Amino acid sequence: ETGVTQSPTHLIKTRGQQVTLRCSSQSGHNTVSWYQQALGQGPQFIFQYYREEENGRGNFPPRFSGLQFPNYSSELNVNALELDDSALYLCASSLRLDQETQYFGPGTRLLVL
Amino acid sequence: AQSVTQPDIHITVSEGASLELRCNYSYGATPYLFWYVQSPGQGLQLLLKYFSGDTLVQGIKGFEAEFKRSQSSFNLRKPSVHWSDAAEYFCAANMNTGFQKLVFGTGTRLLVSP
Repeated sequence: ETGVTQSPTHLIKTRGQQVTLRCSSQSGHNTVSWYQQALGQGPQFIFQYYREEENGRGNFPPRFSGLQFPNYSSELNVNALELDDSALYLCASSLRLDQETQYFGPGTRLLVL
Repeated sequence: AQSVTQPDIHITVSEGASLELRCNYSYGATPYLFWYVQSPGQGLQLLLKYFSGDTLVQGIKGFEAEFKRSQSSFNLRKPSVHWSDAAEYFCAANMNTGFQKLVFGTGTRLLVSP
């Protein structure tokens, strides 16, 4: 059974650009969540997808958007990048919507210059 | 507002000594509670979780945690720390509001001295 994987591992962008981060859920998991972890902070919930629909959202602006595909892999898109978007972006999957345990990937470290 | 507090930013423990990391939560009802560990450059690994029932839960790597409703706490313990335990530890809570939003504390960095 493979775990949660994310790509790329590192990324450098400039302010105003757009970025797409990718996540492959653990095998059989149909729910995926995205978190932003700024340096020295705990992860902050961005949003969650269940069966290709957004199922919940944290306090992030609309320029943060996502997709979930039929194979339950997922993308996080961020438009109009700002310096404060520099962070580690973590993807987590769980077996079902009512399964509370989330399993995290290694993350994508984004640096915005 | 729902929140999780980890009052200790850094803790240094001698190898072989016991460890306790503190976690307090502020919710209207008892949430689901978790401890995760993060090694440098890596994602979060689940150590243990509490949903209901026995208030002392066992996890991986010899860790355990005790849920105390009266203190709104969920402290993590280990009887004997190994150098490989040096990492960042995060306490998290989920109110099961229909979607799985984990609320994390700010983390405690554990340093292990020889």
